Amino acid sequence: EVQLVESGGGLVQPGGSLRLSCAASGFTLSTYWMHWVRQAPGKGLVWVARTNTDDSSPSYADSVKGRFTISRDNAKNTLYLQMNSLRAEDTAVYYCARVMETTVYSGQSFDIWGQGTMVTVSS
Amino acid sequence: QSVLTQPPSASGTPGQWVTISCSGASSNVGSNNVNWYQQLPGTAPKLLIYNSNQRPSGVPDRFSGSKSGTSASLAIRGLQSEDEADYYCAAWHGSLNGPIFGGGTKLTVL
Repeated sequence: EVQLVESGGGLVQPGGSLRLSCAASGFTLSTYWMHWVRQAPGKGLVWVARTNTDDSSPSYADSVKGRFTISRDNAKNTLYLQMNSLRAEDTAVYYCARVMETTVYSGQSFDIWGQGTMVTVSS
Repeated sequence: QSVLTQPPSASGTPGQWVTISCSGASSNVGSNNVNWYQQLPGTAPKLLIYNSNQRPSGVPDRFSGSKSGTSASLAIRGLQSEDEADYYCAAWHGSLNGPIFGGGTKLTVL
């Protein structure tokens, strides 16, 4: 079965760090563009970061640029999001999402989503 | 961060036809395909429509998408109780080098 499973969320103090993991199964992660999307409690979806197949040109939302880093470990078939200097406004459920192959250059549709992992930034 | 504009709520009775609009700009909806996602309560989003009007396998043909200029629409024909969910549109935004999402529309089946 093709699926993504996130982990690593939790409660962290402002200014702290967390690393989220997104384990892929049923497909080879290295051949897909991947994104992170977050959703604050009761709010809508917000794009966070994306990486291409060789991680040569990651991009980030302005709100996380310089604080978050997206990466992957192909041997473990796992995507990561390193989050530093966390703020209260980073509190959200974080989803990893796979880009449908045929849409890489035509809008990047997310055909597989993980179940999400909750990050709470609070003192 | 800018978002695409969706009505916050929509409603209909079983069997009805409902549409949800998504308004953007030339830099996103106007120059890129639109995707639609369905988020049932307490679950992760699910791809409903891609490339503005294509359905992934497994999505009923009751769901359809269209785009004209800087606006897009999701139509649901023959509304069912299980369609009660939040619906989000999304489009690539060139200067962001990533997608932007609409604020979401909560669909209630009366």
